[in-house]
Amino acid sequence: EVQLVESGGGLVQPGGSLRLSCAASGFTFSNYWMSWVRQAPGKGLEWVANIKQDGSEKYYVDSVKGRFTISRDNAKNSLYLQMNSLRAEDTAVYYCARDVAGYSSGWYRTFDYWGQGTLVTVSS
Amino acid sequence: DIQMTQSPSSLSASVGDRVTITCRASQSIRSYLNWYQQKPGKAPKLLIYAASSLQSGVPSRFSGSGSGTDFTLTISSLQPEDFATYYCQQSYSTPTFGPGTKVDIK
Repeated sequence: EVQLVESGGGLVQPGGSLRLSCAASGFTFSNYWMSWVRQAPGKGLEWVANIKQDGSEKYYVDSVKGRFTISRDNAKNSLYLQMNSLRAEDTAVYYCARDVAGYSSGWYRTFDYWGQGTLVTVSS
Repeated sequence: DIQMTQSPSSLSASVGDRVTITCRASQSIRSYLNWYQQKPGKAPKLLIYAASSLQSGVPSRFSGSGSGTDFTLTISSLQPEDFATYYCQQSYSTPTFGPGTKVDIK
């Protein structure tokens, strides 16, 4: 069974830092792109960042570029999100998601499994 | 970035109703469109990928259609467990989500 379990959320002051972790199990972690997706309280979903299987490619939403860093440790089946210079608008539940691509009736790319999320609150 | 819109933003329906949700992309995304269901306090769940492919384990009352810029999610006969918020998401370029459609009980 595929499982993604996030941890590391909490309350942090504006300008502070936090590192989120996502522990993966039930699949060959090193074979998949992985993503972070966040959801502010009462709001919709926003993709934050993703990382290639070997960590050689990383992409970010504009609002976090230069502040957040995605990384992974395939030996530990773990995904990370280092968040620096946090702002109030970064307050959200952060989900890790498996990022899968393939061909069905056409080419596709989707988030097929999600963790339960970890809440990050940025407030003084 | 590609912008996604959904209509309606919310709807009230009864068990057994046929429900249709529309998603529109700001430019062609071919069939790179996914649909997710989210219940309060829970993670999103993939329902449909590649615009019309049903994710394994998802009931067949859910279906998707469309290509290019216009897409629909249809629930053929609404069940009590289907009351939730539904999001479309494009994966043609940097992923973006629609604002969501909340389906509640009439």
